[in-house]
Amino acid sequence: QVQLVQSGGGVVQPGGSLRLSCGASGFTFNRYGMHWVRQAPGKGLEWVTLIGHDGSKTYYADSVKGRFTVSRDNSKNTVYMQMNSLRVEDTAVYYCAKDDEHYARDYWGQGTLVTVSS
Amino acid sequence: QSALTQPPSASGSPGQSVTISCTGTSSDVGGYNYVSWYQQHPGKAPKLMIYEVTKRPSGVPDRFSGSKSGNTASLTVSGLQAEDEADYHCSSYAGNTGWVFGGGTRLTVL
Repeated sequence: QVQLVQSGGGVVQPGGSLRLSCGASGFTFNRYGMHWVRQAPGKGLEWVTLIGHDGSKTYYADSVKGRFTVSRDNSKNTVYMQMNSLRVEDTAVYYCAKDDEHYARDYWGQGTLVTVSS
Repeated sequence: QSALTQPPSASGSPGQSVTISCTGTSSDVGGYNYVSWYQQHPGKAPKLMIYEVTKRPSGVPDRFSGSKSGNTASLTVSGLQAEDEADYHCSSYAGNTGWVFGGGTRLTVL
């Protein structure tokens, strides 16, 4: 069965950095794009980034462009998101999710909380 | 403020039907047949319920159905059951902008 297991996250001061990881199993990882989606406390979902199946193409929401970087290591079945210059408004639960090749996300990780606070 | 507009709440009694709307623009919902819907129980990750406006992934009951007219997409839950009580989020592909979501609708089964 498909599993996405996330790690990383925690509390960081404004301006700080953090890296999230998402390990995948149960499907051919190098065939699918991977998304990151976040959810601020009590709010709706917000798409953050997509990385293509081989890592050659990446796409970002305007709110994180230039600050966040998505990457993947297909030999380790893992996708990463490096978050720099973090702001208070980046506080959220971050989910990795598998692209379903139909412009949707069919499997999601368990989520990891990132808190940006002084 | 979310890019897509959903009602904050909806409700229905067991066995009834309820429809949740999701309004966008011609740049997202109206421009592409790539609307998806996600169910999220408290403290849990979202679950894909509908993709490409009307299609159900394997394992999703046929009580869940999707539709679209112009810039508004809708999710209908028929034969409401207690376990349907959750938050529902719509999403649309938006071209160069990527993907946009609604603010979510809390569905209460009375």
